[in-house]
Amino acid sequence: EVQLVQSGAEVKKPGESLKISCKGSGYTFSRHWIGWVRQMPGRGLEWMGIIYPDDSDIRYSPSFQGQVTISADKSISTAYLQWSGLKASDTAMYYCARLESLMVPYGLDVWGQGTTVTVSS
Amino acid sequence: DIQMTQSPSSLSASVGDRVTITCRASQSITTYLHWYQQKPGKAPKLLIYAASSLPRGVPSRFSGSGSGTDFTLTISSLQPEDFATYYCQQSYSSPLTFGGGTKVEIK
Repeated sequence: EVQLVQSGAEVKKPGESLKISCKGSGYTFSRHWIGWVRQMPGRGLEWMGIIYPDDSDIRYSPSFQGQVTISADKSISTAYLQWSGLKASDTAMYYCARLESLMVPYGLDVWGQGTTVTVSS
Repeated sequence: DIQMTQSPSSLSASVGDRVTITCRASQSITTYLHWYQQKPGKAPKLLIYAASSLPRGVPSRFSGSGSGTDFTLTISSLQPEDFATYYCQQSYSSPLTFGGGTKVEIK
């Protein structure tokens, strides 16, 4: 079964750092893009960026460039999203999702279950 | 960035109704348009890809159409399990952007 499994919920204080993960299984992880999507409480989906694990080609949304770091370790089929200084406004659900290709019109066909991040003093 | 505008933002409908949601791109995206369904507390699910293709397992009451800048998601006969929020997304160019969502509620 193809799946993405994300790390568990996090509660952090403002200014703290955090790295959440997304582990793929059931397919060749390095040959599919992994995207990250933010959903703030009661709000819509926001595109954060995408990585191709095979060569770590990363495309950030301008809205998130410099605010987060996307990375991947293809040897353990895991993608990451990290913050170096969390803000209360980072409180949200974060999803990872798989994209087969940027060159053909496939959608995000497999999603992780989501990781809730709460930032509060 | 390509802006995606969905309408309406919400609608009320009854079981058995035909429902249509539209999505407009700020520039041509050919058929790089996808639709997702999200139920409360759940991850989104791919409903339609490439504007009109159904992934395996998606009921045939869902259909998509359009190309260029204007797209439509249609539910031919609304079922109780279809009450959810629907999002369009373009993958024509990075950043991949989502529409604002359409919440389908029970009338």
